[in-house]
Order: sequence, then structure tokens, then C-alpha cells
Amino acid sequence: RKEVEQDPGPFNVPEGATVAFNCTYSNSASQSFFWYRQDCRKEPKLLMSVYSSGNEDGRFTAQLNRASQYISLLIRDSKLSDSATYLCVVNNGNTGKLIFGQGTTLQVKP
Amino acid sequence: ETGVTQSPTHLIKTRGQQVTLRCSSQSGHNTVSWYQQALGQGPQFIFQYYREEENGRGNFPPRFSGLQFPNYSSELNVNALELDDSALYLCASSRGTGASYEQYFGPGTRLTVT
Repeated sequence: RKEVEQDPGPFNVPEGATVAFNCTYSNSASQSFFWYRQDCRKEPKLLMSVYSSGNEDGRFTAQLNRASQYISLLIRDSKLSDSATYLCVVNNGNTGKLIFGQGTTLQVKP
Repeated sequence: ETGVTQSPTHLIKTRGQQVTLRCSSQSGHNTVSWYQQALGQGPQFIFQYYREEENGRGNFPPRFSGLQFPNYSSELNVNALELDDSALYLCASSRGTGASYEQYFGPGTRLTVT
């Protein structure tokens, strides 16, 4: 079983749609959680850290459910520029080892 | 932009050769982590450097080695290159080594081994 699992998609949605990505992690001792965005052949860019209380940044909302070991990302009012791969990332301990999911591909169409 | 830089951008090497990749961390960051990303996969942790010492290592053989310099920049060295080493190599810098520190990635070096 992979440490971080995501549905690879692709998710094809029209502009203006709301789309949700889910991610599960296997290590209950995981400490920190993040969503990164990666454009084709570019580096991952930090989208947001995910806190137990949930957090929101504009059109993006992230939720963490520690009991179910589940992380989600909600994108409202999708834009063409949101088209990218979204990586769910977990840090298990006191080292800098980030564990990445395979990524979920989003394609927003006009 | 994150302020993390990497060189070179692209590199083509032959199997068995050695390669050195370089990374400069963002201002104010003292920790550098290296990742390997194969096509269609998420990045895989290679190792992390803090205070010029290795601070954690992923499941990579000893032919992957690194250095960190007093100015916090870092090198990744790979000896005896294999075809499977072809990948995007990413470095990330952070303010510290703890789990809560956010890591910011450089643009990567795309290595092709023929």
C-alpha cells in the first residue's frame, strides 16, 4: 500500500465548476500536511499547508480528518489557469522527508 | 518565484558516468532537501542536509551522495549512472528541519542517461 494515495484522474471540468480532490495517508503518526500544485514539466509549488481546523485561501479550501487519515482540497469557481497536477503531501516526522502522492490531474475547459 | 535556484537546467550523460547537480537555497533558509521525480510519479525523497551534514535519507543507494556548504547551498552527486536515474531532480529549501517547515522547490535539473 502506498503511503499517500490519490486518484490520478484526470478530472475534466468546465470553467466555474467546483471540484474536490481527496487523499488518504497510511501513517497515523503523520504530522504535517500540504497541497502542492505542479504544472507540466515544472517544479511543485506550495499551494497551502493543511491544518486540523481546516483552512481557506480564496477559492481553495483544505480539510484534514486525522481520524480517517484523509485530506481534501476543494476548488471553487474553477479557472482555466487551475489546470495542473495537484500533489497531496505528508511529513511523518522530524526530518524533512516529504512523502508525495502520485498527483491528481485537473483540466479546466472553457 | 521561490528564490531557490538549480543548475544545470538540463543534462545528458552516458551510463556509468558521474554527475553533479547544484542548488542554492532561498535567503533565510538553512536546510536543503533533494528529490527525484520520475515521469508520471510524485517526487521521491533522496536526502536532506542541515548544518553541512546529512539529516535523513530515503531509499536510495550510496552512489547518491551530497554536500552542503557554509552558505547553505548544496550539491547532489550521482556515481555510476544507470538508465533508471533519468528523472527530474528537485531541491527544496526550508527554514529548518522540522515537519512543520514548508519546503520551497527550485526549477529542477532534468537528467537524461543514455
